Amino acid sequence: GAVVSQHPSWVICKSGTSVKIECRSLDFQATTMFWYRQFPKQSLMLMATSNEGSKATYEQGVEKDKFLINHASLTLSTLTVTSAHPEDSSFYICSAPPVTDSYEQYFGPGTRLTVT
Amino acid sequence: ELKVEQNPLFLSMQEGKNYTIYCNYSTTSDRLYWYRQDPGKSLESLFVLLSNGAVKQEGRLMASLDTKARLSTLHITAAVHDLSATYFCAVARRLLGNLIFGKGTKLSVKP
Repeated sequence: GAVVSQHPSWVICKSGTSVKIECRSLDFQATTMFWYRQFPKQSLMLMATSNEGSKATYEQGVEKDKFLINHASLTLSTLTVTSAHPEDSSFYICSAPPVTDSYEQYFGPGTRLTVT
Repeated sequence: ELKVEQNPLFLSMQEGKNYTIYCNYSTTSDRLYWYRQDPGKSLESLFVLLSNGAVKQEGRLMASLDTKARLSTLHITAAVHDLSATYFCAVARRLLGNLIFGKGTKLSVKP
């Protein structure tokens, strides 16, 4: 099956710093990628939709200036958490539907962010 | 607004027993997904259901979809300990493609 990778798999940063998380589709192209956030013992919540070549679409309540998304190519989307706070600590997971098969959704392994 | 409700949220089963997890959703969608999540891990795809009456089976798990009732079920047959995990159903938002997730069912299978 298709593979989505995320880097890093875990990161610890200090309050006020910025962290970049990469999401790559390794063997397929994706014009759209989705970024989800999962707090402990909770479900996944969509943060934003990343669109190749255009601006990301953010869900209500998600600060676009804090969570910067860039979809630089058909295989790479990045999420940058700026001025991180402890409440940003969470599990961030990306997913991508392949251009050739929009019914399938492949999830990355997730990035665990801890802000101290 | 698309909402997805799962029940039960917690399920403690004995090995060898059968049980069903239910997933209701509020508006029309053309895709419903079931995922498994182990602690500290991402999602593992179990089933994608695309049409009314769709039924898919893999090992001890069987999923079905009734689009008229906006209901999907995940049936567990003769549970074994290895099935212990959290199971999520998710429904695709039409035209947008992203998934709206239920709250998850934490399944614990005890000997």
